[in-house]
Amino acid sequence: QVQLRESGPGLVEPSETLSLTCSVSYAAITSYYWGWIRQAPGKGLEWIGNLYYAGSTSYNPSLRSRVTISVDPSQLAFSLRLKSVTAADTGTYYCGRLRGSAPFNFYMDVWGIGTTVNVFS
Amino acid sequence: SFELTQPPSVSVSPGQTARITCSGDALPKKYVHWYHQKSGQAPALVIYEDNKRPSGIPQRFSGSNSGTTATLTISGAQVEDEGDYYCYSTDTTGNYRVFGGGTTVTVL
Repeated sequence: QVQLRESGPGLVEPSETLSLTCSVSYAAITSYYWGWIRQAPGKGLEWIGNLYYAGSTSYNPSLRSRVTISVDPSQLAFSLRLKSVTAADTGTYYCGRLRGSAPFNFYMDVWGIGTTVNVFS
Repeated sequence: SFELTQPPSVSVSPGQTARITCSGDALPKKYVHWYHQKSGQAPALVIYEDNKRPSGIPQRFSGSNSGTTATLTISGAQVEDEGDYYCYSTDTTGNYRVFGGGTTVTVL
């Protein structure tokens, strides 16, 4: 059973870059697609972006200018970088495995437990 | 932009049927998926591709997609079904992957 676990700093200062890693266990990272979703405190879910192996990505238009998702097969992990963060980026960040079919039918079937990020100085 | 609209809340008595709707343009052309999030936990997939249940999801969960509305039905709701439910889909260009605003289901 595939397992995912997010890791990263729980606190980030405004205008800095948020970096999170999702470690993948019991699944070949090069055999699947992966994604990130976040949830502000007390709010709903927000799609951040998807990573299709071989480097292709798809990002939420509202975050596209600030976000990068990449994979490190040697580390059995993929990462999220979000630059120029503000308090609006505070929340719980989830990574997940994608299933479905191209070009647009991808959904997250396995999720990590989430990691909380607070943006404040 | 592309938006999915859900009712904020649904209440149901134990053993009764709960229906959660998700409205959006061109839904029949795109699959809708549903997630259940219990308090303090990560979301879990309960329906994918309109009406398919992942392994381990009880048969009381079912889904449909017709017109501009997708529906998640819980037939014989149980207390453990309480929580927030989110629909998820994609616009026709693939540029927007969106969650509905979420529906809080109360079973009492």
